[in-house]
Amino acid sequence: DADVTQTPRNRITKTGKRIMLECSQTKGHDRMYWYRQDPGLGLRLIYYSFDVKDINKGEISDGYSVSRQAQAKFSLSLESAIPNQTALYFCATRGSANEKLFFGSGTQLSVL
Amino acid sequence: DAKTTQPTSMDCAEGRAANLPCNHSTISGNEYVYWYRQIHSQGPQYIIHGLKNNETNEMASLIITEDRKSSTLILPHATLRDTAVYYCIVIYSAGGTSYGKLTFGQGTILTVHP
Repeated sequence: DADVTQTPRNRITKTGKRIMLECSQTKGHDRMYWYRQDPGLGLRLIYYSFDVKDINKGEISDGYSVSRQAQAKFSLSLESAIPNQTALYFCATRGSANEKLFFGSGTQLSVL
Repeated sequence: DAKTTQPTSMDCAEGRAANLPCNHSTISGNEYVYWYRQIHSQGPQYIIHGLKNNETNEMASLIITEDRKSSTLILPHATLRDTAVYYCIVIYSAGGTSYGKLTFGQGTILTVHP
C-alpha cells in the first residue's frame, strides 16, 4: 500500500460544484501539504499544515479550503469549482526537520 | 525560503554524466538544498539534500559551492529513465524544526537521449 494515498485519482466536475479531494498517510508525519500543477509549470503550494491545529495558506489559496481531520488526513475542498482550477493536485507529507517530502500519486481534476 | 533559479531545459547523452545547476544566491545559513524529480505526471521523488558539504547517495551526487550560493546535481551515468523535470528547492531549518512553505519553481526538464 502507498504511504500517501489520494482519492479520487481522476475527477470531472462542472462549474459551481463543490469538490473534495482527500489525502491520507500512513507515515505518522505531522506536516502535510497540498500542491497544484498546471501543464508546463512547477508545483504551487495551496495550503500546508504542521499539525492538526496549525493550517497555513500557501501561494494560491484563494478558492480553496482545507480540513485536517486527523494527523493522517488532510482534505482539500473547492467550494465552487471553476474551470481554471483544472489541474493536477498533489498531496505530500513530511516528518521532522530535514526529512524529505513524500508525495501521493496525484488527482487529475477537470472542471467543465 | 530562498528563491532558486534553474535552466529551463538540458540534454544529456545516455551513459554520460548529467550536471544540473541551481542558483540560490539568497540562501541563508540554516537553509538546506533539496533536489526532487518528477517523471511524467507522477508525484515528485526525492533525490538528495545537503547543507554545506557535498553529498552522495545511490541516485546522485550534490555539489554545493563554498559560498553556498549555487549547487549542482550530478547523475553520474544518465539513463533514458532519468528523463524528468528536476526541482531544486531550499528549506529553512533551525533548532530541530523545519519552517517554510516548501515552494517549488518550474524546474529543469532533463532529456536523456540515446
